[in-house]
Amino acid sequence: NAGVTQTPKFQVLKTGQSMTLQCAQDMNHEYMSWYRQDPGMGLRLIHYSVGAGITDQGEVPNGYNVSRSTTEDFPLRLLSAAPSQTSVYFCASSYSLPGNGYTFGSGTRLTVV
Amino acid sequence: AQTVTQSQPEMSVQEAETVTLSCTYDTSESDYYLFWYKQPPSRQMILVIRQEAYKQQNATENRFSVNFQKAAKSFSLKISDSQLGDAAMYFCAYRGAASKLTFGTGTRLQVTL
Repeated sequence: NAGVTQTPKFQVLKTGQSMTLQCAQDMNHEYMSWYRQDPGMGLRLIHYSVGAGITDQGEVPNGYNVSRSTTEDFPLRLLSAAPSQTSVYFCASSYSLPGNGYTFGSGTRLTVV
Repeated sequence: AQTVTQSQPEMSVQEAETVTLSCTYDTSESDYYLFWYKQPPSRQMILVIRQEAYKQQNATENRFSVNFQKAAKSFSLKISDSQLGDAAMYFCAYRGAASKLTFGTGTRLQVTL
């Protein structure tokens, strides 16, 4: 079982560049989320989706776009990278029942210079 | 909005001893779930234990147990017989009706010989 697969694991971008972080899950989970992790701030929710075609903003959505055309995939787009977006990004997925914990990908360390 | 607070940025425990990590939360919901996640240096997020708010019995998973005080909105994690492999960041998390996962800022646990 692959679980939640995130690519790439590491990325360096120049300010102003755009890129897409990929996330795929093979567990038929309805819910998918993107978090960013910064020192001393825990994990903060960027965007989430409760099913294909449905997305919503989390706590820190500015500068990021998402779409969910299939149950399996939930890519995160950085439109114009800024140094403030230097962070570790996690994708996570879960069944809809709230008693289920989320399963996390292995993370992407992004550096914007 | 729900909030999760972890007031101990760092904790230290000797091998084979017991340590308790604190977590408090704020919510107006009556039914929800609480989780503890472990993040070792590998960066992977690992679900350690979960607790349903309607269950009075505290959850236990091997050496890990919780002290859930619903009225006080407190959810502490006790690690017994600490091992070197327990050294990690530990995150407390809340999941309610909206099914988003809200995290605390984390506690870094050091295990010493």
